[in-house]
Amino acid sequence: GQQLNQSPQSMFIQEGEDVSMNCTSSSIFNTWLWYKQDPGEGPVLLIALYKAGELTSNGRLTAQFGITRKDSFLNISASIPSDVGIYFCAGAPRMEYGNKLVFGAGTILRVKS
Amino acid sequence: DGGITQSPKYLFRKEGQNVTLSCEQNLNHDAMYWYRQDPGQGLRLIYYSQIVNDFQKGDIAEGYSVSREKKESFPLTVTSAQKNPTAFYLCASSRSYNSPLHFGNGTRLTVT
Repeated sequence: GQQLNQSPQSMFIQEGEDVSMNCTSSSIFNTWLWYKQDPGEGPVLLIALYKAGELTSNGRLTAQFGITRKDSFLNISASIPSDVGIYFCAGAPRMEYGNKLVFGAGTILRVKS
Repeated sequence: DGGITQSPKYLFRKEGQNVTLSCEQNLNHDAMYWYRQDPGQGLRLIYYSQIVNDFQKGDIAEGYSVSREKKESFPLTVTSAQKNPTAFYLCASSRSYNSPLHFGNGTRLTVT
């Protein structure tokens, strides 16, 4: 089946730093979604991307739909403590979601002490 | 406030018992889904339903059953046939089959 590789698996952030993570697919996706999950909670949709090359922002978050349609990137600028959590990418091979949505394993963001 | 409510938050069961997890949404969404989340893995689809009285198996349906008698409700039963039931279970819904998913806050099931 289709697979999504999400990296890094985990990272430590210091307040004020910029953060980058990405997802790559073994096949073409036509929709990319980015979710954030806080401990013990459900994932919350951050950004949805529908077009190759698309760059979309949501506050300090910016996500890009890779031009090859096999990857997507999420950047967080000037990180703050509440950014910690797990970030998931998800992709769909066609414009449908539903049962065609494939999830990455997540990137865990922790605070550097 | 519109949203998806999963209950209970934590559930403990003995091995060999069936258990039902509740999922209710008041978003008037047509489609509903159940996912299983294990540490270090992506979400895996158990069952999904596009409309009332219809549901389909996902990637890991064995040992699970669902019903969709009402638009608002999509309960999941974890049966004794599920070999490794301890996990975090997430319910989601979407306005239509090609809309982004919105998730509930999950139920953590522990079977001993």
